Amino acid sequence: DAKTTQPPSMDCAEGRAANLPCNHSTISGNEYVYWYRQIHSQGPQYIIHGLKNNETNEMASLIITEDRKSSTLILPHATLRDTAVYYCIVRLNFGNEKLTFGTGTRLTIIP
Amino acid sequence: NAGVMQNPRHLVRRRGQEARLRCSPMKGHSHVYWYRQLPEEGLKFMVYLQKENIIDESGMPKERFSAEFPKEGPSILRIQQVVRGDSAAYFCASSPVRELETQYFGPGTRLLVL
Repeated sequence: DAKTTQPPSMDCAEGRAANLPCNHSTISGNEYVYWYRQIHSQGPQYIIHGLKNNETNEMASLIITEDRKSSTLILPHATLRDTAVYYCIVRLNFGNEKLTFGTGTRLTIIP
Repeated sequence: NAGVMQNPRHLVRRRGQEARLRCSPMKGHSHVYWYRQLPEEGLKFMVYLQKENIIDESGMPKERFSAEFPKEGPSILRIQQVVRGDSAAYFCASSPVRELETQYFGPGTRLLVL
């Protein structure tokens, strides 16, 4: 699987949009981009995934660049409960491949 | 629809004892994955199982660790003769039969070896 690069930490003011970047410059055509988060002491929580089109669900939006070498997870109106470690993962689009977690971005929402 | 269930949530063992961690996947899910998170580290894949079959155990330590997912009942991660280095959070995830389905995680079991 391709590797990802994320900033180790970010702060965001409560109520503002949190934009979390991820670089995956070696991603191949058959790999999806997945985002999970882990709130302290809890199990990882699935957020969103995409291949090449932008995606949106009730939790977040995922913007993938046209060359697919990077993406941005957007939490539109961050709350204190969004404080967590966010993981960007690339994963093959066939089979049921394991998830390879990196170090993620520790997002802190500031009141 | 209940999520992935893991028990116990906390487990304390003395060195040399056995630890058994259980995972009940979400309803309709027949794929189970185990991950381990050592203190202050990221999650690492251990093993991937389907009913009665181990599909990928590339992340399992060679000794003392085993996993099963029987036809009936939960998946079991078994650690024999635990050592202090086994202290970690163990997470189970499940996904449905269809390929490329999202993995959903349980709350984890925190193992502490004294």
